[in-house]
Amino acid sequence: KQEVTQIPAALSVPEGENLVLNCSFTDSAIYNLQWFRQDPGKGLTSLLLIQSSQREQTSGRLNASLDKSSGRSTLYIAASQPGDSATYLCATGGSARQLTFGSGTQLTVLP
Amino acid sequence: NAGVTQTPKFQVLKTGQSMTLQCAQDMNHEYMSWYRQDPGMGLRLIHYSVGAGITDQGEVPNGYNVSRSTTEDFPLRLLSAAPSQTSVYFCASSPPGSREQFFGPGTRLTVL
Repeated sequence: KQEVTQIPAALSVPEGENLVLNCSFTDSAIYNLQWFRQDPGKGLTSLLLIQSSQREQTSGRLNASLDKSSGRSTLYIAASQPGDSATYLCATGGSARQLTFGSGTQLTVLP
Repeated sequence: NAGVTQTPKFQVLKTGQSMTLQCAQDMNHEYMSWYRQDPGMGLRLIHYSVGAGITDQGEVPNGYNVSRSTTEDFPLRLLSAAPSQTSVYFCASSPPGSREQFFGPGTRLTVL
């Protein structure tokens, strides 16, 4: 059974810092990995999708990488802003498109 | 496009009551799914559907029923609510040829 872990559970950084969020998974037989953002009391917003054949994806200040062999993905946020404060979730995708989620990293960017 | 919509936003039930959580999308997405989110346990898959007339069980299907009579709608039914079903429920959909999934705003359900 796939297990997805996100460490740390919470992170606080000053505005302007570059930061990295980590995601690890136990079964490398994934079809894709997707990063989401969740604001308090809200739904999930898709940030980046990495197909299993890809190594990274970029969108604006966000860059996600995938290393299937080591069971790791990272989300890099450049020049963090207070508006980036949210919980970030990673999820691996299986053959039937089922997603297995980590418990998330709660990010606070201090002004 | 309205995206993925869910109703109601909030619901309180008594143990043993039944209800249906509604999910709809207007993007012609074939794939739809239901997740529940509980503190400390992340999101877990309840049921999913790869198209109209086809449904399958996820990780935590017990106590829930689904059907998919149209491409647009994927309701989740609780036949006899239990306190263990207190959770936030999210519906998601994915377009043909893509594995990217898009989530609705959620329904917060409390069972007393």
